[in-house]
Amino acid sequence: QVQLQESGPGLVKSSQTLSLTCTVSGGSISSGSYYWSWIRQPAGKGLEWIGRIYTSGSTNYNPSLKSRVTISLDTSKNHFSLKLTSVTAADTALYYCARESDIIYDFWGQGSLVTVSS
Amino acid sequence: QSALTQPASVSGSPGQSITISCTGTSSDVGGYNYVSWYQQHPGKAPKVMIYEVSNRPSGVSNRFSGSKSGNTASLTISGLQSDDEADYYCSSYSSSTPVVFGGGTKLTVL
Repeated sequence: QVQLQESGPGLVKSSQTLSLTCTVSGGSISSGSYYWSWIRQPAGKGLEWIGRIYTSGSTNYNPSLKSRVTISLDTSKNHFSLKLTSVTAADTALYYCARESDIIYDFWGQGSLVTVSS
Repeated sequence: QSALTQPASVSGSPGQSITISCTGTSSDVGGYNYVSWYQQHPGKAPKVMIYEVSNRPSGVSNRFSGSKSGNTASLTISGLQSDDEADYYCSSYSSSTPVVFGGGTKLTVL
């Protein structure tokens, strides 16, 4: 059974960079035809797709965030990471990592709450 | 503003059926059969209930069904149960994004 676990600072100062890591267990991040994705959810609001990285390393990003987002893969540590630069209060959210195949998110992390402070 | 439009809330009594709509465009819902539905209980991660418009993952009750007509996808839950009370999100492949979610629908079981 694949499991995902987000980790990273819960508090980030405005204008700085948000960094999160998603560690995958129960399977290799470099095998299979999967995208490894980041999705966020502000408190009381809906899901927002941030971006994804394929096992080959190719990436896709939400156009509204593209200029600030980088997703990378570290196969040696079996994890993938999210960096979001120049954060503001609007980036405060629960950040999920998930595995995707054909727009099917079958495994999710529990979520990591990130608060942007001024 | 979410790319896919869902009603903010729906409700039904135990045993009844409800339908949640998800409206997009020909660039997403209407153009591809990559529509999924997710159930999210409070404090939990979303769980896939329907994929590729109408397919159910193993373990999901057959009370959940999906369909699509034009640019609108629908999730129907029959025989409503109290545990069905949750938020529901649709998602679709999009030629521009490439993934878009709906704004979510809160289902209340009366």
